[in-house]
Amino acid sequence: QQQVKQSPQSLIVQKGGISIINCAYENTAFDYFPWYQQFPGKGPALLIAIRPDVSEKKEGRFTISFNKSAKQFSLHIMDSQPGDSATYFCAGRAGSYQLTFGKGTKLSVIP
Amino acid sequence: DSGVTQTPKHLITATGQRVTLRCSPRSGDLSVYWYQQSLDQGLQFLIQYYNGEERAKGNILERFSAQQFPDLHSELNLSSLELGDSALYFCASSSGFSGTEAFFGQGTRLTVV
Repeated sequence: QQQVKQSPQSLIVQKGGISIINCAYENTAFDYFPWYQQFPGKGPALLIAIRPDVSEKKEGRFTISFNKSAKQFSLHIMDSQPGDSATYFCAGRAGSYQLTFGKGTKLSVIP
Repeated sequence: DSGVTQTPKHLITATGQRVTLRCSPRSGDLSVYWYQQSLDQGLQFLIQYYNGEERAKGNILERFSAQQFPDLHSELNLSSLELGDSALYFCASSSGFSGTEAFFGQGTRLTVV
């Protein structure tokens, strides 16, 4: 199974700061790159997603930057809030097949 | 609420036993995916069904099997359970079209003792 490599494993950011999580993929057949947010005891929930024909997508405080030639993409959380403390997963998907997830980043936003 | 329903929420069973996890996808979704989440392995894809047919297989053990029924609900059967099978098991569903969102259920926490 083609991998998606995610870093860092954990991240501590002060309230109001910028959180940045990076991912790299191998499978060039991936045509959909979502980010999921997961709170303890809950299922992953879609946060934001991008397709490879776009280099950036912004939704509120969340931005995905996508570099197709480098096969990398990242999530930026602006003005990070304590309520953003969760585990974030990047993923890649080819067509309607399964999502291949990174191993996750545990974000802690401290007041 | 994602619209994906998983039952039961929690399951405690002994080694060697067999359990069945159930998933009802969102209304209209044809694809169902099963994932296993353990602390050290992240979200591991197990198997996908599309409109009743197996579509893709991931790291699913031979002791595990799944099926999707005509009403599109799915069941994951885990047998000869081992301590290492303790994990969260998630079901997700999507419309089945390329690039569409996959919605996850709340998961079933399986504890094997």
